[in-house]
Amino acid sequence: GIQVEQSPPDLILQEGANSTLRCNFSDSVNNLQWFHQNPWGQLINLFYIPSGTKQNGRLSATTVATERYSLLYISSSQTTDSGVYFCAILGSGTALIFGKGTTLSVSS
Amino acid sequence: DAGITQSPRHKVTETGTPVTLRCHQTENHRYMYWYRQDPGHGLRLIHYSYGVKDTDKGEVSDGYSVSRSKTEDFLLTLESATSSQTSVYFCAVRQGAAETQYFGPGTRLLVL
Repeated sequence: GIQVEQSPPDLILQEGANSTLRCNFSDSVNNLQWFHQNPWGQLINLFYIPSGTKQNGRLSATTVATERYSLLYISSSQTTDSGVYFCAILGSGTALIFGKGTTLSVSS
Repeated sequence: DAGITQSPRHKVTETGTPVTLRCHQTENHRYMYWYRQDPGHGLRLIHYSYGVKDTDKGEVSDGYSVSRSKTEDFLLTLESATSSQTSVYFCAVRQGAAETQYFGPGTRLLVL
C-alpha cells in the first residue's frame, strides 16, 4: 500500500520564525490533505491539495504530484500553531492513510 | 466542523465489558468513518459506512463491529473490551466531490 512519510518528526521554533514541513508519498495520488491536531486533540482541516499551491493566511501548501511530495509552509509562527501536523493520502478504497506527523512547538 | 458530535467524549471501562461509541452528524453525509489514534501509529481506519446498513472493514477491524441504521448515526461497538483497545477514537465524514474528510472531536477510551 501507499507509504506516507513526514519530516521532520519534531520541530521547535521561536515565535515569529518560519518553517517548512514535508510529506513524501510512495505512489501517485489524487487526494492529499493536511491537518493540524491542536494540543486539545482536535483535528483541523488545513488544506485539500492533490496538486498545485494554496494559501490560507500564514499557511500555504504545495503538492508536486509527479515528484510525490507535498510541503506545508508556516510563516511568522505563533504559539497557537503548536501541535501535530499530519499529511494524509487517500489510499485504495476510501480510507485516508496518515503519516506519523510533525510535532511543532512554538515558544514565545 | 461538518456538524459531527461524538459521545461519550471520555470513558473508562473494564476488560471484558461491551462498549458502544456514537458518532452523530447533522449534514446528511453518505460516508462515515471510525479511526483510532495511537502513539507511533497515527490514525488508522477501523470501519467505514457508505450508506444506511452499508459498512465495510478497515485496516484494524478485529474486535470491533459497527452499525448504521440511520444516515446521521454511526455506532462503533467493542463487544468485549481489551486493554489493547485503549485509544482515542475519531469519527469522520466525507464531504464533497473531492472526498475531503472532516473529523469529530474524538472519544478517549481507557480499558482497565
